[in-house]
Amino acid sequence: SQKIEQNSEALNIQEGKTATLTCNYTNYSPAYLQWYRQDPGRGPVFLLLIRENEKEKRKERLKVTFDTTLKQSLFHITASQPADSATYLCALDMYHDMRFGAGTRLTVKP
Amino acid sequence: NAGVTQTPKFQVLKTGQSMTLQCAQDMNHEYMSWYRQDPGMGLRLIHYSVGAGITDQGEVPNGYNVSRSTTEDFPLRLLSAAPSQTSVYFCASSSQAEQYFGPGTRLTVT
Repeated sequence: SQKIEQNSEALNIQEGKTATLTCNYTNYSPAYLQWYRQDPGRGPVFLLLIRENEKEKRKERLKVTFDTTLKQSLFHITASQPADSATYLCALDMYHDMRFGAGTRLTVKP
Repeated sequence: NAGVTQTPKFQVLKTGQSMTLQCAQDMNHEYMSWYRQDPGMGLRLIHYSVGAGITDQGEVPNGYNVSRSTTEDFPLRLLSAAPSQTSVYFCASSSQAEQYFGPGTRLTVT
């Protein structure tokens, strides 16, 4: 069956550390993999997109990797801040047919 | 630009009632979509549209209808509401892959 799993429901880290979130999937062939941030009571906000033929993408303190052999994406936030506390969603993009993971709630403690 | 707007913000329906959730975008995006978000399940795609006059089913289309007569608007209709349709509904639009989400409609069916 098709599945998208994000490593854990919740992740707590100390300010200044690197947060690493995992997205694993089975029986999908995405063209893109996207990461979104969602704050309570709000819609998701796009962060990064990586294509199936790309290994790594960076944007400021964010880095995403994509391994189509392992069927896994890793999302890193370096030098984390309390303002990074939110739920992070991974999404598989099969050309308009989007499937989302359940999300990982990240809490960055000062 | 207002981005993606959704109305209403909150709605309570009785079982069997019908209603339309409104979604509009002012970014001239061709692609629009509807999702529902339930606790622990992530966002699930209901219907999507790649342009005016074109719609297609997503992962969970049963009980919902859509139409796309203009580029700007993409309403979602519930013909006969059921308690299983209690959820938060998000509309999104995009021009390429990155999606812009609306603020959501919280629907309760009693």
